[in-house]
Amino acid sequence: KQEVTQIPAALSVPEGENLVLNCSFTDSAIYNLQWFRQDPGKGLTSLLLIQSSQREQTSGRLNASLDKSSGRSTLYIAASQPGDSATYLCAALMDSSYKLIFGSGTRLLVRP
Amino acid sequence: GAVVSQHPSWVICKSGTSVKIECRSLDFQATTMFWYRQFPKQSLMLMATSNEGSKATYEQGVEKDKFLINHASLTLSTLTVTSAHPEDSSFYICSARVSAGGRAFFGQGTRLTVV
Repeated sequence: KQEVTQIPAALSVPEGENLVLNCSFTDSAIYNLQWFRQDPGKGLTSLLLIQSSQREQTSGRLNASLDKSSGRSTLYIAASQPGDSATYLCAALMDSSYKLIFGSGTRLLVRP
Repeated sequence: GAVVSQHPSWVICKSGTSVKIECRSLDFQATTMFWYRQFPKQSLMLMATSNEGSKATYEQGVEKDKFLINHASLTLSTLTVTSAHPEDSSFYICSARVSAGGRAFFGQGTRLTVV
């Protein structure tokens, strides 16, 4: 059974800092790995999708990497801003079932 | 990106009544949609996979008679919480993908409160 873990559970940083969010998964038979952002009481916004054959994806100040063999993905946020404050969720799309399995999320607070 | 619209965004109902939540893919056809439940400060738990024109597939532990799912068209799936009780209060979110292995797009979510 796939288990997705995110560390840390919460993070508070001053504005401008570069930061790394971690995601690990136990079953490497994934189709892709996706990162989402969730604002309080809202749905999910897709940030980045990394196919299992890829190593990383970039979008603006966001960079996500994937090491499928070790079961790890990281989301790097450069020059953080208060508007980046949200919960970040990673999710693994399983190869066999195409089910999306979510981690528990990292709650990020960027202080002005 | 593709747009998934969910309605209503919040609903309050009395215990024992039923509530219907709609999920629409606005600019693409989705043969498969997914329903998730999220408790406060917890992650999303997959409840069921909604398949157009056929029965939904429910995850272990999810009561199919309580959470009725209908996927009557390629752009609409509905989740009906029947005989709702306070413990059904939660945040329900739907999702759809353009293709089986593609990017997932989510609705805005529905906050259900049963009083």
